[in-house]
Amino acid sequence: NAGVTQTPKFRVLKTGQSMTLLCAQDMNHEYMYWYRQDPGMGLRLIHYSVGEGTTAKGEVPDGYNVSRLKKQNFLLGLESAAPSQTSVYFCASSYNPGTSGTNEQFFGPGTRLTVL
Amino acid sequence: AQSVTQPDIHITVSEGASLELRCNYSYGATPYLFWYVQSPGQGLQLLLKYFSGDTLVQGIKGFEAEFKRSQSSFNLRKPSVHWSDAAEYFCAVAQTGTASKLTFGTGTRLQVTL
Repeated sequence: NAGVTQTPKFRVLKTGQSMTLLCAQDMNHEYMYWYRQDPGMGLRLIHYSVGEGTTAKGEVPDGYNVSRLKKQNFLLGLESAAPSQTSVYFCASSYNPGTSGTNEQFFGPGTRLTVL
Repeated sequence: AQSVTQPDIHITVSEGASLELRCNYSYGATPYLFWYVQSPGQGLQLLLKYFSGDTLVQGIKGFEAEFKRSQSSFNLRKPSVHWSDAAEYFCAVAQTGTASKLTFGTGTRLQVTL
């Protein structure tokens, strides 16, 4: 049982390049989330998904796209990377809080992205 | 909209001393409250959570937190800090019901001196 895994762990991009971050979970969670963590700002929600095939915007969605084609995977894409997207990205997953009665989220180890 | 304030950016305590990390939240109804810990280069690990019931919540690693509705606070405590507790601590609040978005505080970095 690996929990939440993220690929890659580190990445350096040049401005304008594109990339996709992969998040996978093996806990059969319905909900999945992408956050970014910047110094002094805590974690901010980028996008989230409440089920396969559905996505929604979070607090800071601009410049990112997401897809949830399979229940266990949640992809975060940067179409044209900018230096402002230099950050540590965390994926998380949870059960449906409406049915499970909990909002507890389980986090992956993070991806450190640098955009030059 | 909900919000979380962690007024202390950085705290230093001696090993064996007691610890209290402050967290204040803003939310109209009874919130779900969490404390997470992040060791350097790692992801976030849940320490404890409050949903309802007993306002004093016990967590892992000897941590506890008390929900005080009148003060809109959910402070984290530990009676005796260990050097391995050095990390960054995040308080978070979530809406009750079906919405599950967590709002995090900006974090408190704990340094432990020997």
